[in-house]
Amino acid sequence: DIVMTQSPDSLAVSLGERATINCKSSQTVLYSSNNKNYLAWYQQKPGQPPKLLIYWASSRESGVPDRFSGSGSGTDFTLTISSLQAEDVAVYYCQQYYTGPLTFGGGTKVEIK
Amino acid sequence: QVQLQESGPGLVKPSETLSLTCAVSRYSINSGYYWGWIRQPPGKGLEWIGSLYHSGSTYYNPSFKSRITISVDTSKNQFSLKLSSVIAADTAVYYCARVISSGDPGMGSFDFWGQGTLVTVSS
Repeated sequence: DIVMTQSPDSLAVSLGERATINCKSSQTVLYSSNNKNYLAWYQQKPGQPPKLLIYWASSRESGVPDRFSGSGSGTDFTLTISSLQAEDVAVYYCQQYYTGPLTFGGGTKVEIK
Repeated sequence: QVQLQESGPGLVKPSETLSLTCAVSRYSINSGYYWGWIRQPPGKGLEWIGSLYHSGSTYYNPSFKSRITISVDTSKNQFSLKLSSVIAADTAVYYCARVISSGDPGMGSFDFWGQGTLVTVSS
């Protein structure tokens, strides 16, 4: 199984400041044949299901604010919130879909400082 | 927008079978896409259980070994999960979701989710 490791476990950021979340996979999730990274990011608020933010590592889902961006390739990925808003308080998960079983990172909790 | 709604018993006894149904609305399962089940133990992370296609093809997480069955009822536009021989560790919120296929059968990210249903395993 591909193990997804997120860091940090939690972080507190001031409103308007940048938040950076890291995700590392135990093996590459980059498919060389199409040069795509099979990596998604989700946001989960308390009592709600996860919401898809980013797919193919850097493609923003429709309706997701452009302050959310994904980057990285191979085994190392980053989700960046460029200017943290109060409504961004949540737990964020990465997920690989390169191969089965589909696996998720352990989550990163983002709070307001 | 696609809507998904999980339903089923909220309490299951140890060693019995957990049965959940996911009703899909505003989209026909027959039109395509894979559909999946994901669970989340209280206060913990997400675990993929399995996915299926409207044809009935299924893709399971091996960690569940032979305990799971995912099936589809296209006439009712719904799909189901059965997890047998449950133990306390199977206590979780169970979500159904639509899979955006990556190109590999059953694999992909999840774009639409149900609200989830908490299933507690306890005698």
